[in-house]
Amino acid sequence: DTAVSQTPKYLVTQMGNDKSIKCEQNLGHDTMYWYKQDSKKFLKIMFSYNNKELIINETVPNRFSPKSPDKAHLNLHINSLELGDSAVYFCASSLKRNTEAFFGQGTRLTVV
Amino acid sequence: DAKTTQPPSMDCAEGRAANLPCNHSTISGNEYVYWYRQIHSQGPQYIIHGLKNNETNEMASLIITEDRKSSTLILPHATLRDTAVYYCIVRAPSGTYKYIFGTGTRLKVLA
Repeated sequence: DTAVSQTPKYLVTQMGNDKSIKCEQNLGHDTMYWYKQDSKKFLKIMFSYNNKELIINETVPNRFSPKSPDKAHLNLHINSLELGDSAVYFCASSLKRNTEAFFGQGTRLTVV
Repeated sequence: DAKTTQPPSMDCAEGRAANLPCNHSTISGNEYVYWYRQIHSQGPQYIIHGLKNNETNEMASLIITEDRKSSTLILPHATLRDTAVYYCIVRAPSGTYKYIFGTGTRLKVLA
């Protein structure tokens, strides 16, 4: 069983479209994250959730809207996609905020 | 969270120990040292963490200097599958809900 799973793994879409990436963790963790890794391989935090509550929004454009329907899921919806949104997006979870994080395999988003 | 400095790249012969250094000279007393790695195209993987004592698990050993200003991650018998980018992160237990990744060290294990 995959601990942190993301779907889809690859996503190619046109500028202006709206898309969603889903994330699920089966570890019983309280905290979930979204990270973005750009073309230069720099990993940056986007959002952190704890018990379905938004804790961190790291100056991400409001076209990005995370949603946590329950503790096991943290989905990422992106409106009006732009070329600069092309990146690999990683979901992660940790038991608590101060414990090690487990990452999903990533979603490679390409905006054309 | 304290800033860390790592060499951009290192090579290691297969079967030999890989020693990856990390400098964290501004670390505070309650901050832990975490190590993660990212194998090509995969999500980052937790390796080990420690506060002041040396730590060992099935993947690696972590040696933290007495003044805690630097640490070394040791992979005792590196294999080709250990080729990855290794990130050293310093983080307080009561810190914000995030890990701040730097540029890491690209370790290449050579056959």
